[in-house]
Amino acid sequence: GAGVSQSPRYKVAKRGQDVALRCDPISGHVSLFWYQQALGQGPEFLTYFQNEAQLDKSGLPSDRFFAERPEGSVSTLKIQRTQQEDSAVYLCASSLMARTMESPLHFGNGTRLTVT
Amino acid sequence: SQELEQSPQSLIVQEGKNLTINCTSSKTLYGLYWYKQKYGEGLIFLMMLQKGGEEKSHEKITAKLDEKKQQSSLHITASQPSHAGIYLCGADSASGTYKYIFGTGTRLKVLA
Repeated sequence: GAGVSQSPRYKVAKRGQDVALRCDPISGHVSLFWYQQALGQGPEFLTYFQNEAQLDKSGLPSDRFFAERPEGSVSTLKIQRTQQEDSAVYLCASSLMARTMESPLHFGNGTRLTVT
Repeated sequence: SQELEQSPQSLIVQEGKNLTINCTSSKTLYGLYWYKQKYGEGLIFLMMLQKGGEEKSHEKITAKLDEKKQQSSLHITASQPSHAGIYLCGADSASGTYKYIFGTGTRLKVLA
């Protein structure tokens, strides 16, 4: 498809398990963002990639969170030793340009993570 | 750090009524986007504002960025059930950075 694709759509993990969330951005998009969205809240910035370079990871809540985009296309957000507070929707967005205000973000439908 | 506050948090209107949603920044905005989100889905881009005083319209939705570039308003004329959802404003947290932040969201319900 032409949009941003995220998988899985839903993920249930037991506390302590590791999870990997995948994002397929729109082909040719330079910028890729990960956000965490708690119920009833706006998306919270996690990390930003420009092609394969991770230029900002200031929003990652702990060292259990790790993101990569090795070939400048598909990205994976990994959460190690999941905790209940990690339960949220994880949104991926891509943008054609490198600077955010030059082109809008295109969002995937997110992965809803539930940690039991 | 910069924050985006939206008001109201939620809104219920009768179909056909007009409504306004506000987004206020704690710092000068270098540009602002409006997005719409339906439950369980990603955000859909509505429009972008970059210049102080700029106003843009798409169908029955009009958005404006004030001259001082610290507040934006989104106005919906003759609301319809299809307008229901969560409206979010988004912006660069500061010029020259990559951190792109969002407001707290306004949940709109339109009664048929």
